[in-house]
Amino acid sequence: SQQGEEDPQALSIQEGENATMNCSYKTSINNLQWYRQNSGRGLVHLILIRSNEREKHSGRLRVTLDTSKKSSSLLITASRAADTASYFCATADNTDKLIFGTGTRLQVFP
Amino acid sequence: ETGVTQTPRHLVMGMTNKKSLKCEQHLGHNAMYWYKQSAKKPLELMFVYSLEERVENNSVPSRFSPECPNSSHLFLHLHTLQPEDSALYLCASSLAPGAGDHEQFFGPGTRLTVL
Repeated sequence: SQQGEEDPQALSIQEGENATMNCSYKTSINNLQWYRQNSGRGLVHLILIRSNEREKHSGRLRVTLDTSKKSSSLLITASRAADTASYFCATADNTDKLIFGTGTRLQVFP
Repeated sequence: ETGVTQTPRHLVMGMTNKKSLKCEQHLGHNAMYWYKQSAKKPLELMFVYSLEERVENNSVPSRFSPECPNSSHLFLHLHTLQPEDSALYLCASSLAPGAGDHEQFFGPGTRLTVL
């Protein structure tokens, strides 16, 4: 069954605004990862947050993890048109598998 | 680019054809993966290879046949596909078996259309 589920499915904002995407999952995890995909291309890893971490930063990205609520959020601050892409969360247990959600399509207008 | 290459980038084939997708990683990783991405569906894990051994076959039909001759190369052999197999096929690699603690690096994908 699907593990990660992103919300919203689509998000449109103006350049300079912040974008927040949420991810909910169902079972225990080792870590949660966020990926970005430009249209029709491969996924690019953005950030990994472990189950014992609550918040992580990377440049304009901020990820939070609440294991009690089984949820995570990705915040992109001061968005740019180049941030336009689909964003996916993926959960990992101790196996070789990542389970991906359906993604949030972000459109940033100049 | 992430160090994972895939060829061809686009492929159109008939249902009776046999074709192969190729993936190569230049990152020194030990685990490689095939995913299928269809419109409006989550990325589906198809196969996992760890140190050249298949460790996961996610209930994939036998018309898809993977091959991992060494840790740098991964193939997906296709035969007698169906139109619903049309999708973006993504290859990925990770440093060590157990994606639990490692990010995956993806190739650009092969856009497959089955007529």
